[in-house]
Amino acid sequence: DTEVTQTPKHLVMGMTNKKSLKCEQHMGHRAMYWYKQKAKKPPELMFVYSYEKLSINESVPSRFSPECPNSSLLNLHLHALQPEDSALYLCASSQGRLAGAEQFFGPGTRLTVL
Amino acid sequence: AQKVTQAQTEISVVEKEDVTLDCVYETRDTTYYLFWYKQPPSGELVFLIRRNSFDEQNEISGRYSWNFQKSTSSFNFTITASQVVDSAVYFCALSVPQGGSEKLVFGKGTKLTVNP
Repeated sequence: DTEVTQTPKHLVMGMTNKKSLKCEQHMGHRAMYWYKQKAKKPPELMFVYSYEKLSINESVPSRFSPECPNSSLLNLHLHALQPEDSALYLCASSQGRLAGAEQFFGPGTRLTVL
Repeated sequence: AQKVTQAQTEISVVEKEDVTLDCVYETRDTTYYLFWYKQPPSGELVFLIRRNSFDEQNEISGRYSWNFQKSTSSFNFTITASQVVDSAVYFCALSVPQGGSEKLVFGKGTKLTVNP
């Protein structure tokens, strides 16, 4: 299984809602990533988990809360988002502690905040 | 500074033409890794190639080829005999160590349109 899956594919939420994005991989990878991509822009890193521990937080606002329950799962909890948070959210995974390991990306969740 | 520059914002070609996508990088590391990813309209980023700084051998995979030149800090990507299915945004990226992990620094991307 060389796939990273993400659910849901599309999400529309109001500014007062709480929702979660989910990501799963079964490649035995130990590093998992969340990226945010606005239209016509490159992906921007948000968080990195390595061996289920948060290793990089790119100064992301606290209304985004990541969680890594186990080595195969990665969640992104959303609360009190703003319309400017509307974007494509991409999850990726790679082998942990291997320099230059390629990252495999999921199909993304298209988030719209009203 | 760790940076990737893709100067070509958009390229449009006719099917069967060859096309080269440019990538110039900046890094202070002696060991580093470069990548190319393809992002079709569906949105998923597809890994194409990884190159480490010690391997300057050019690579060919079918219609795709990559030219890595440390002397000019470039890692260019050529598609030979382009096809409509090659239409996508292509990102060049540099792997940067941080906090015991690594992160990808992407160029701004080049949107390639191949017309029939």
